[in-house]
Amino acid sequence: GENVEQHPSTLSVQEGDSAVIKCTYSDSASNYFPWYKQELGKGPQLIIDIRSNVGEKKDQRIAVTLNKTAKHFSLHITETQPEDSAVYFCAASIRANNLFFGTGTRLTVIP
Amino acid sequence: EPEVTQTPSHQVTQMGQEVILRCVPISNHLYFYWYRQILGQKVEFLVSFYNNEISEKSEIFDDQFSVERPDGSNFTLKIRSTKLEDSAMYFCASCRDRGTVEKLFFGSGTQLSVL
Repeated sequence: GENVEQHPSTLSVQEGDSAVIKCTYSDSASNYFPWYKQELGKGPQLIIDIRSNVGEKKDQRIAVTLNKTAKHFSLHITETQPEDSAVYFCAASIRANNLFFGTGTRLTVIP
Repeated sequence: EPEVTQTPSHQVTQMGQEVILRCVPISNHLYFYWYRQILGQKVEFLVSFYNNEISEKSEIFDDQFSVERPDGSNFTLKIRSTKLEDSAMYFCASCRDRGTVEKLFFGSGTQLSVL
């Protein structure tokens, strides 16, 4: 089955700096790659996603890039703010009905 | 904004006891899921449910687990005889569109502790 690896497990940045979280996946058949943000006491919330026919997608301060050849995708957060502090999960979907998650990255934005 | 609701937020049980975790998916959603996350590990897929039957299940979802949609709003996960290794955060999720996990909405989870 699909195996998703995520790095780093923890990341601390100064407010205003950029943060980058990277994930790799194993199965070239995966075609959908969402990113979830989980705040304390809440469930994962979808923040951005990308399909395999697109190389990059941006939504305000958040962007995701996908390299199908290398089988890796990344989340980029620019101009970080304290409210960006959370656990971020990447995931990959090889087909409908199932998501394979990474282990999560705890992002701390230091004011 | 509509949300997936899970109860209870925390559940403590003795090994061997039955537990039922409850979820109320978003009202116009048709596909329902259970995931779990053992502390420090990945979020893992357990089961998907559509049209009152299981669509897919993982190896984790053995005979001790069952799911049910007892009425038009609730979606439950039952663990018949809990084991220590069942201790985890259990997430319910739902989506509207047919045959896709895109735009999957998660609940805030139930933290299950088996003693």
